[in-house]
Amino acid sequence: DQQVKQNSPSLSVQEGRISILNCDYTNSMFDYFLWYKKYPAEGPTFLISISSIKDKNEDGRFTVFLNKSAKHLSLHIVPSQPGDSAVYFCAASASGTASKLTFGTGTRLQVTL
Amino acid sequence: DVKVTQSSRYLVKRTGEKVFLECVQDMDHENMFWYRQDPGLGLRLIYFSYDVKMKEKGDIPEGYSVSREKKERFSLILESASTNQTSMYLCASSLGGPPKTQYFGPGTRLLVL
Repeated sequence: DQQVKQNSPSLSVQEGRISILNCDYTNSMFDYFLWYKKYPAEGPTFLISISSIKDKNEDGRFTVFLNKSAKHLSLHIVPSQPGDSAVYFCAASASGTASKLTFGTGTRLQVTL
Repeated sequence: DVKVTQSSRYLVKRTGEKVFLECVQDMDHENMFWYRQDPGLGLRLIYFSYDVKMKEKGDIPEGYSVSREKKERFSLILESASTNQTSMYLCASSLGGPPKTQYFGPGTRLLVL
C-alpha cells in the first residue's frame, strides 16, 4: 500500500525552464512534507519542507506547493540548472509517529543544455 | 552541519555471512533510522530507534536486526545474508521533536553473492 506516490519515474527539462515534480498521498494524517534530492552513490539531502498549515514554502529557486484537499504536493524549480539533475523523493510524516517518514518512489530529473 | 557517517561505502559478502553495517551521527539526535533503497521502490524503512536500547520495526524488518548501545551509533545486522538483500543501505538521524527532517549518511552499497 503506497501511501506516498510519485507517478512520474522520470522528467526531462531544458536548462532555464521550470521543473515541476509531483507527489500524491493517501493518508489524511500526514501533516508534514519534505523533498529530498539524491545523486547516484550518495545519500539523500534535504531540500525543502512544508507543514500542513501552509500551502506554499519558498527557498531560493525551490518552491513547494501543498493542496490538502487534493492530497497533492509539487516541487517547482525555477530556473532549472544542469546540477539539479538527480532523483527527487517526496516524503511525508504524521504527528505522533516518532519522526517516521514515508517516502515516494522518486522521480529522476534530467536537466538538458 | 549534521554529519552522519557509515562504516563502508561498498561491501561484498557471501550468502550466509553475518553482516554488520555501522552508522554514527555527531549531532546528538535522538532518532536514528535504517532504510534500503531499491530501483522503483524508493526508500523503505527497515528499523528505527528513538532512544538508546530502544528499537521499532519499520516496514521491512524481516532478515534484519539492529543495535543501539550508544546514542550516536546505530548498527544494522544481517544475521545470514541472502542475495535478495543486495541493495543500497542508508542510515539517517533526526531530532526527537519537530522538525522531522532526517539527515542521511552517504549509503553503503551491499552486494551479496
